[in-house]
Amino acid sequence: EAQVTQNPRYLITVTGKKLTVTCSQNMNHEYMSWYRQDPGLGLRQIYYSMNVEVTDKGDVPEGYKVSRKEKRNFPLILESPSPNQTSLYFCASSLVGPQQSPLHFGNGTRLTVT
Amino acid sequence: AQKVTQAQTEISVVEKEDVTLDCVYETRDTTYYLFWYKQPPSGELVFLIRRNSFDEQNEISGRYSWNFQKSTSSFNFTITASQVVDSAVYFCALSERAGGFKTIFGAGTRLFVKA
Repeated sequence: EAQVTQNPRYLITVTGKKLTVTCSQNMNHEYMSWYRQDPGLGLRQIYYSMNVEVTDKGDVPEGYKVSRKEKRNFPLILESPSPNQTSLYFCASSLVGPQQSPLHFGNGTRLTVT
Repeated sequence: AQKVTQAQTEISVVEKEDVTLDCVYETRDTTYYLFWYKQPPSGELVFLIRRNSFDEQNEISGRYSWNFQKSTSSFNFTITASQVVDSAVYFCALSERAGGFKTIFGAGTRLFVKA
């Protein structure tokens, strides 16, 4: 089944403790992206990647890192999480880019930082 | 700068009513793409439609229809004869050619359809 898989679905952590949210897609998509969803703000783009080893900042990249060593994986890294990063995170992929093809989303990761 | 405004935060209707969700966008690019996504209570995000700036034809898919008007920078979404299963948060989104590969989402409209 074609899908975007994020793990974990739920994560509670403490301030400053490094964490990684994994994202994997099995559709051979070129484009992958991370978003955070906050009430009243919709989805805001954190980072995106057009291809392996190519990543770029979205609108809210501060406090996050990403890597794209393989086409299928695009992990989101929080080196030192803070409470303002408590949010619902979505990974997405598309075949060649969000303009030409629709985004396929993972099921989301709800992160709480205390 | 690109921007997407969904002025309706929440809408509540009774089943079988028609409902229109508004989306107004701002862009300086002449080539851009507009999208609608649905987020049901289960939380996943589902693609509904994509439109490019050169195609102003309205589209109908079953009970769903979309009205794209460049003159008013709007891309409104109408659900005809709403059903309880239409209850969800709906997001409008914009991607500019000049904006690289960013996609900007509106804040979303939560639709409640009551039986």
